[in-house]
Amino acid sequence: DAKTTQPNSMESNEEEPVHLPCNHSTISGTDYIHWYRQLPSQGPEYVIHGLTSNVNNRMASLAIAEDRKSSTLILHRATLRDAAVYYCILRDRSYGQNFVFGPGTRLSVLP
Amino acid sequence: DTGVSQDPRHKITKRGQNVTFRCDPISEHNRLYWYRQTLGQGPEFLTYFQNEAQLEKSRLLSDRFSAERPKGSFSTLEIQRTEQGDSAMYLCASSPGTGYNQPQHFGDGTRLSIL
Repeated sequence: DAKTTQPNSMESNEEEPVHLPCNHSTISGTDYIHWYRQLPSQGPEYVIHGLTSNVNNRMASLAIAEDRKSSTLILHRATLRDAAVYYCILRDRSYGQNFVFGPGTRLSVLP
Repeated sequence: DTGVSQDPRHKITKRGQNVTFRCDPISEHNRLYWYRQTLGQGPEFLTYFQNEAQLEKSRLLSDRFSAERPKGSFSTLEIQRTEQGDSAMYLCASSPGTGYNQPQHFGDGTRLSIL
């Protein structure tokens, strides 16, 4: 199983940075770490993914630990629109190559 | 809007009835995925297609579920003899190319309620 562990919920103030942690101690050497988010009443939305080095895009940054057993999604300035469930995902190498979603982290952003 | 489109958005039916959902992926996306999501949980993989070929199905997928993707374009997911436990959001996603790490683009789902 491609298991990740995330906190159930986190809170942030608007316009402050948010660091969303994820543990994936059983990750294999070639597994990418994927992050998606899901806003209320919508399907999941791709955020970012990476393999070893840190990654940046217009939405967020992904910091990957040197041993790759954990990673952190960084939202540089949270907005109210960033309130969502954030999923840290690996592929299920035990069967096929498909995403295994956990329950994710519910991020609340306070004005 | 050229995103993934799902129809209908909501479906209410009685237990034992058959239902069919449709997904229109982003044009020219080779891969199409179906997921199921229940309240408070992340999406659960059901099956996926590479063009018209169904390449994988979840080991947990009941034989009451069947999916097709004729001509490698839109896809349908049918549930026969629906049960209470089938009540969920059914999500479709598509991705380009053949790589497993391509971002998946999700539709907003079809919510199924079984009376």
